[in-house]
Amino acid sequence: DAGITQSPRHKVTETGTPVTLRCHQTENHRYMYWYRQDPGHGLRLIHYSYGVKDTDKGEVSDGYSVSRSKTEDFLLTLESATSSQTSVYFCAISEQTGGAGGYTFGSGTRLTVV
Amino acid sequence: AQTVTQSQPEMSVQEAETVTLSCTYDTSESDYYLFWYKQPPSRQMILVIRQEAYKQQNATENRFSVNFQKAAKSFSLKISDSQLGDAAMYFCAYRSGTGNQFYFGTGTSLTVIP
Repeated sequence: DAGITQSPRHKVTETGTPVTLRCHQTENHRYMYWYRQDPGHGLRLIHYSYGVKDTDKGEVSDGYSVSRSKTEDFLLTLESATSSQTSVYFCAISEQTGGAGGYTFGSGTRLTVV
Repeated sequence: AQTVTQSQPEMSVQEAETVTLSCTYDTSESDYYLFWYKQPPSRQMILVIRQEAYKQQNATENRFSVNFQKAAKSFSLKISDSQLGDAAMYFCAYRSGTGNQFYFGTGTSLTVIP
C-alpha cells in the first residue's frame, strides 16, 4: 500500500537462524504494529510501537523482538527462527489510538522456516 | 481480550447475487468500533467498511452494508450484486474506543461463481 512497505516480500530461512523483517512508512504515523496471519487464527498482534523507542508486547510476542529507532522504521526480529514461526507477517500503521481510524497495512512478508 | 468469531470458514455466491457474512464478538466495553477487511489473493488488506458502536444506523459503502445488532453483539456484512472481484478472504475486526489493538476473526473465504 502507498506509504508503507515491507521487506522482504518472501523469505526462506533455516531453523535457528536470526531473521529481521523491516517495515517502512512515509506517513509519519505514530503507531506501528506487527501481526502474524495463520490459517484458523486470523491476524494476531505480536508487538506494537507508540513512538520512537516505545514498544509493547502483543498476545503472541514470545520468540520475537522489535525495535524502532526512527519514526519511519519498525523492525521485527526472530532471534532464532523456529518452524512454528512460519507465517505471513503484516505491518500496519495508524495515526491515532482508538477511534474509528483503521489500520493501513503493508503487503505482508511470507516467511518459511525450514 | 476481546474475541471475534466468524463461524463460516467458506462461503460462495453466484455473480450478481447477494451474500451475507457473519461475525459475532464478545466485549464488555460500550465504546468500540467494528471493521470488515478484505484480503484478495494479492494478500493486501483492504478496509471495506467500519461501524461505530454508538451509531444505530448501519454503515453502507456502495454495494457493501452491515447489519449491526449491538445487543446481540453481531456484525454481519452484506455484499449486494456480487462481482468476481469480490472473491477474497474477509476478516471481521474489533477495536476498543481507546485501545491500540485490533482483534480479528479467523476469516471467511468468499468464492464468487460466474
